[in-house]
Amino acid sequence: EAGVAQSPRYKIIEKRQSVAFWCNPISGHATLYWYQQILGQGPKLLIQFQNNGVVDDSQLPKDRFSAERLKGVDSTLKIQPAKLEDSAVYLCASSLLGGTGKYEQYFGPGTRLTVT
Amino acid sequence: DQQVKQNSPSLSVQEGRISILNCDYTNSMFDYFLWYKKYPAEGPTFLISISSIKDKNEDGRFTVFLNKSAKHLSLHIVPSQPGDSAVYFCAASRTGNQFYFGTGTSLTVIP
Repeated sequence: EAGVAQSPRYKIIEKRQSVAFWCNPISGHATLYWYQQILGQGPKLLIQFQNNGVVDDSQLPKDRFSAERLKGVDSTLKIQPAKLEDSAVYLCASSLLGGTGKYEQYFGPGTRLTVT
Repeated sequence: DQQVKQNSPSLSVQEGRISILNCDYTNSMFDYFLWYKKYPAEGPTFLISISSIKDKNEDGRFTVFLNKSAKHLSLHIVPSQPGDSAVYFCAASRTGNQFYFGTGTSLTVIP
């Protein structure tokens, strides 16, 4: 079974530029998550989708971050414009439908973003 | 507001001995807890989970204990192996939503 795919793996941009990350979840996983992990901290949930609907985006800085999940499969996370404090690893994860009681998330390798 | 805390940034254990990693949480509405293991340059890997209706869950060398009254959970690894050296994160959730992660504990198993 293929895991969660993310691209790019690394990205360096200047502040005020825009950037986009892509995620392809495990086939059949209805729930998709985007996390931000700043160095030395744990992952912080930015947004959670169930199929193509948003379940939770309470910690997403909506003035500069946006995310979409087309057709309930792939997802993109965009930052526009980027700030220095956005430097982090952006992790995508997926899980089976939460109603089964199984909330285990499977993570991709992440995208390391450096904003200069 | 750190709702999930791992107060030990690092832990060193001899191979073959028990590793005990601890995690505390503040929100009594959390009803599902998970442990993840992370190697450098990789995403976290799911290890073991526990529902709030249980106080113990075991999977091979890994056992998670939940003390709801103390809002505390722990992960026991017995026996510890060098390949267990990694960063361990605990996470908590409300019915599969609003996941919160701790800051991680770096485990080193000394051969």
